[in-house]
Amino acid sequence: DAKTTQPNSMESNEEEPVHLPCNHSTISGTDYIHWYRQLPSQGPEYVIHGLTSNVNNRMASLAIAEDRKSSTLILHRATLRDAAVYYCILIALYNFNKFYFGSGTKLNVKP
Amino acid sequence: DGGITQSPKYLFRKEGQNVTLSCEQNLNHDAMYWYRQDPGQGLRLIYYSQIVNDFQKGDIAEGYSVSREKKESFPLTVTSAQKNPTAFYLCASSPSTGAYEQYFGPGTRLTVT
Repeated sequence: DAKTTQPNSMESNEEEPVHLPCNHSTISGTDYIHWYRQLPSQGPEYVIHGLTSNVNNRMASLAIAEDRKSSTLILHRATLRDAAVYYCILIALYNFNKFYFGSGTKLNVKP
Repeated sequence: DGGITQSPKYLFRKEGQNVTLSCEQNLNHDAMYWYRQDPGQGLRLIYYSQIVNDFQKGDIAEGYSVSREKKESFPLTVTSAQKNPTAFYLCASSPSTGAYEQYFGPGTRLTVT
């Protein structure tokens, strides 16, 4: 199963953009790239997902490299409520939702 | 409000006792999942169910059991055979298999002493 690599932690200032990187060099053609985030002592929350093209929603943007071996989650204006652990996950289309959560990136937002 | 509920939020048990964690969803989702999370770690899949009366082992099923008698409910039993049961347990559901997002409950923190 394809795995992802993320930095352990990142720091950002409030109201500035944040770029959270994810490497997935062994991604296959049918793997979707999902991002979830988890606030302390809560369940993970879906953020965004994509396959090949860049994606935008009300929470964030997802930029996918042309070779799909890496992606970047972009929070356009970080707020204190965005402080969380962010997980980048590959999900095979026909692999029955077997999500593999790594350790993720802990984002700290400074006021 | 549609969502997933897990109860209780905190659970304490003595070693050697079986304990059942509740998970209920009113989202009309077919698939349901149980994950375990240890401090500072990601989530690991225990069991999943794609449809009523059917479930599959995940990566760390030993010492756990589940049932799926109703679409809305997917209880997890932590048995005395589970060597290190103290952890944060998360239940999730999704509309079906495939690339759909999973919706997570608030979790149950189990402490076994």
